[in-house]
Amino acid sequence: NAGVTQTPKFQVLKTGQSMTLQCAQDMNHNSMYWYRQDPGMGLRLIYYSASEGTTDKGEVPNGYNVSRLNKREFSLRLESAAPSQTSVYFCASSEYLDRGDNTEAFFGQGTRLTVV
Amino acid sequence: EDQVTQSPEALRLQEGESSSLNCSYTVSGLRGLFWYRQDPGKGPEFLFTLYSAGEEKEKERLKATLTKKESFLHITAPKPEDSATYLCAVQAAYTGNQFYFGTGTSLTVIP
Repeated sequence: NAGVTQTPKFQVLKTGQSMTLQCAQDMNHNSMYWYRQDPGMGLRLIYYSASEGTTDKGEVPNGYNVSRLNKREFSLRLESAAPSQTSVYFCASSEYLDRGDNTEAFFGQGTRLTVV
Repeated sequence: EDQVTQSPEALRLQEGESSSLNCSYTVSGLRGLFWYRQDPGKGPEFLFTLYSAGEEKEKERLKATLTKKESFLHITAPKPEDSATYLCAVQAAYTGNQFYFGTGTSLTVIP
């Protein structure tokens, strides 16, 4: 049982290049999330998907797009990378409960992205 | 206004020296408060969920408690392997599926 798997683990991009970060979970969770983590800023939500077929903006969505490909996979795309997007990116998943909230989130190991 | 504030930012303890980490929150309609441990270069690892004031949960040397305004993570007789960053997050009625994280407490336990 792998949990949440992210690829790649490391990436260096030049300003203006594009790339897609991949995330897959094998826990059959409905909800998936993309966070970025910067020193002193904590984990900030970029986008989330409450269930297959839906996506919503989080706290810092500018410069990013997402696709919920199916229940397992949730990708994050940087169309034109900027140095300000240098960060560690985490994907997470959780189960949506009928009472309207979610169980705890399970995280992947992260993608360390540097934009030069 | 910050919804989740953790203190202290950093804490150094001698092995065996018990202490507490604080997570205060300002959200209304709390649905759950979550504690995570994060080791360098790794993703956050789930520790506890607390749902209502007065609730307590324990795991080995860690004990989490919750009041209406804050949560404490008590560490009893810590060991060097407890060194990590501890994160708390909240989920509130109006945030739906979203989790809001604090900036964490970096704990170092010295042998």
